[in-house]
Amino acid sequence: GAVVSQHPSWVICKSGTSVKIECRSLDFQATTMFWYRQFPKQSLMLMATSNEGSKATYEQGVEKDKFLINHASLTLSTLTVTSAHPEDSSFYICSARNTGGAGNYGYTFGSGTRLTVV
Amino acid sequence: LAKTTQPISMDSYEGQEVNITCSHNNIATNDYITWYQQFPSQGPRFIIQGYKTKVTNEVASLFIPADRKSSTLSLPRVSLSDTAVYYCLVGLNSGNTPLVFGKGTRLSVIA
Repeated sequence: GAVVSQHPSWVICKSGTSVKIECRSLDFQATTMFWYRQFPKQSLMLMATSNEGSKATYEQGVEKDKFLINHASLTLSTLTVTSAHPEDSSFYICSARNTGGAGNYGYTFGSGTRLTVV
Repeated sequence: LAKTTQPISMDSYEGQEVNITCSHNNIATNDYITWYQQFPSQGPRFIIQGYKTKVTNEVASLFIPADRKSSTLSLPRVSLSDTAVYYCLVGLNSGNTPLVFGKGTRLSVIA
């Protein structure tokens, strides 16, 4: 089945630094990928839609200059948290849609990245 | 996507059958119903999808009444490893439409 690889699985960074999270579709091409953020005991919150070759679409309230998204190829989207602060600490999850997938909308999720800003 | 309502939490003993019901009164004609499972510190994992009546796979069954305004995920003989959050999503498969998650149901399986 479709596999989405997310890296790193966890990262600790100092306040003020930037962190890049990668999301790769391993066995399919994804023109669209999605980024979510999840705080403890809460549901996934959609941050943005990443479109290959074009600008990402951000949800209301998500700072596009803080959460930089690049979707340079059909198999890779990256999320960079710039000038991270402790309140950015969260679990970040990416998702990609395999248009050839059947039975589940074709959506597959990465394993997530636990970001801790100290 | 149609709004969904699920119980916030459920408890069950090992070996029991667990039924989680999801209400989706505003489901559209072309909408499908999909359930995902999420373990702590992991991404959601697809469980089952259906449109009407009953769907069964190796993991679960999904029951959908004729009016499709609700659905029930049935997990047979749960084990401790089934402790997770279960999300019900309703919507049309569309190229650039992201999945929007509700609060989900936190299932705790007790030995």
